[in-house]
Amino acid sequence: GQQVMQIPQYQHVQEGEDFTTYCNSSTTLSNIQWYKQRPGGHPVFLIQLVKSGEVKKQKRLTFQFGEAKKNSSLHITATQTTDVGTYFCAGSPGNNRKLIWGLGTSLAVNP
Amino acid sequence: DVKVTQSSRYLVKRTGEKVFLECVQDMDHENMFWYRQDPGLGLRLIYFSYDVKMKEKGDIPEGYSVSREKKERFSLILESASTNQTSMYLCASRKSGGTEAFFGQGTRLTVV
Repeated sequence: GQQVMQIPQYQHVQEGEDFTTYCNSSTTLSNIQWYKQRPGGHPVFLIQLVKSGEVKKQKRLTFQFGEAKKNSSLHITATQTTDVGTYFCAGSPGNNRKLIWGLGTSLAVNP
Repeated sequence: DVKVTQSSRYLVKRTGEKVFLECVQDMDHENMFWYRQDPGLGLRLIYFSYDVKMKEKGDIPEGYSVSREKKERFSLILESASTNQTSMYLCASRKSGGTEAFFGQGTRLTVV
């Protein structure tokens, strides 16, 4: 079946270091979304990428969608303690009805 | 402000009980989803509905059923609760053809 692999599963960084999480899909996606879940919270939408090779920025966060629309990455520059949480990617196959979720990357930031 | 509301934040039920988890959204979204979240396993789709009275099985539907009699409400039913259904349950809604999914606050169900 369709799968989205996400790595790493965990990442522990010092405050100020950069962080990247990667997603790879077994099939071509029509779009990919990124969500953040704070500890004890629920997933909250961050962004959606649609176009091949698309790059979007939100302050210290940079999101990329691969040329083949099968992989994506989220990069955080100079992490802060407020970045702590689990970051999920979720891809839409062609019919756009349901999302295929990665397992998430849990980010811990040492102050 | 958009809202997805789950009926309970915490729930404790006995093995064999029939359990109802309710989810209501106020955004007139066509699509609604039920997930369970367990450590290391991410979000696993149980059932989803793309319109009133429509439902489709997700990846792990065994032991669950759903009901969508009204557009705003999507109910998850555990016919006979078992201890392996102890989990965090998340409801989400999304506009058909739309972008983001909106999640409820989650229901942490413990089956004893």
